[in-house]
Amino acid sequence: DAGVIQSPRHEVTEMGQEVTLRCKPISGHNSLFWYRQTMMRGLELLIYFNNNVPIDDSGMPEDRFSAKMPNASFSTLKIQPSEPRDSAVYFCASSFPPTANEQFFGPGTRLTVL
Amino acid sequence: AQTVTQSQPEMSVQEAETVTLSCTYDTSESDYYLFWYKQPPSRQMILVIRQEAYKQQNATENRFSVNFQKAAKSFSLKISDSQLGDAAMYFCAYSGGATNKLIFGTGTLLAVQP
Repeated sequence: DAGVIQSPRHEVTEMGQEVTLRCKPISGHNSLFWYRQTMMRGLELLIYFNNNVPIDDSGMPEDRFSAKMPNASFSTLKIQPSEPRDSAVYFCASSFPPTANEQFFGPGTRLTVL
Repeated sequence: AQTVTQSQPEMSVQEAETVTLSCTYDTSESDYYLFWYKQPPSRQMILVIRQEAYKQQNATENRFSVNFQKAAKSFSLKISDSQLGDAAMYFCAYSGGATNKLIFGTGTLLAVQP
């Protein structure tokens, strides 16, 4: 299995631009998570899906952030418009809950907003 | 709300020696899981070890073991025979309740001295 795949690995954009981060979970996993990692706030959950349905989006910072999971093999996290404070590493993780809640992480996307 | 606390921002150990990283957590749940994740400079999140709260026996994975004290809500990680490749940020994480989202501590940066 290829593991969780994220693209792009690095993204540099200018303030005000739209940014779309992509994630392909491990085949067969039915839970998908988006995390953000910053020096100030550490690792924090933004949103998670179960069977393609958003279950908890309380971690989404504001309306500029949106996430979708149109099918079991693809999810996007969109920021529009982006701001410098959105600069962070964004991780996608997937899991199959019966396996002791273990989550498998993608390599992350490092986002820099100038 | 559940919380995870790592009180050691940085630790250092000599190669081949043993080091223990501390973690405490707070929860009102009776059924939950605890994890240690390793994040090397590549930023990939790697699961090191996990513990099911209902199991009294401490988990062990090769050179890595935990000391799980449920009553004290303590979950420390012991790394034996430390190797240069163990140098990384280590995160303690909790998962429990109706969801399997992870709540992370702030991390401990481990340096291994040759």
